[in-house]
Amino acid sequence: AQSVSQHNHHVILSEAASLELGCNYSYGGTVNLFWYVQYPGQHLQLLLKYFSGDPLVKGIKGFEAEFIKSKFSFNLRKPSVQWSDTAEYFCAVYNDKLIFGTGTRLQVFP
Amino acid sequence: DGGITQSPKYLFRKEGQNVTLSCEQNLNHDAMYWYRQDPGQGLRLIYYSQIVNDFQKGDIAEGYSVSREKKESFPLTVTSAQKNPTAFYLCASSSSHGGTGELFFGEGSRLTVL
Repeated sequence: AQSVSQHNHHVILSEAASLELGCNYSYGGTVNLFWYVQYPGQHLQLLLKYFSGDPLVKGIKGFEAEFIKSKFSFNLRKPSVQWSDTAEYFCAVYNDKLIFGTGTRLQVFP
Repeated sequence: DGGITQSPKYLFRKEGQNVTLSCEQNLNHDAMYWYRQDPGQGLRLIYYSQIVNDFQKGDIAEGYSVSREKKESFPLTVTSAQKNPTAFYLCASSSSHGGTGELFFGEGSRLTVL
């Protein structure tokens, strides 16, 4: 069965620090890859997605992610975080259903 | 406004009672999903439906039941057989039959069993 691993459970950063959240998945076939974000008190929403093509994808609010097929990874990055990026971030993999990782809670302090 | 409406937002129930969570969408989406969110465990798929009158079990279907009689509605019943029902439940939908994985989520229903 396919699974998704997020190794960072809780990340604490100061504003302007760089961010990288790890995501690895276990599935050998073709998948679609996603990062979803849940801001405090808000519903889960799409941050960015990869279906095919350029493995470096850009999402909203300056986030980007790189698909490395050989490593089964889809890490999320942002060069300089803001306080408003405080949220929970979920990596997800889609084959015939969408499977989520356990999430990473990001806290950004001013 | 198009979107997904879940109700109730908060629900309390006594042990041994069944409870039904409502999910309605006006996005004209074919596929609908129910996830359960627990701290430290992410979102786990309970049931999903890719077309009216058809649904499949997800990873943690035991103790839950669903129906899909209308395209816009996908109610979830948490039965007394569910051993640990206290959780945050999220409903979602996606546009294409067969899907791409791009889901739109409701605001969730928080169920507490007393």
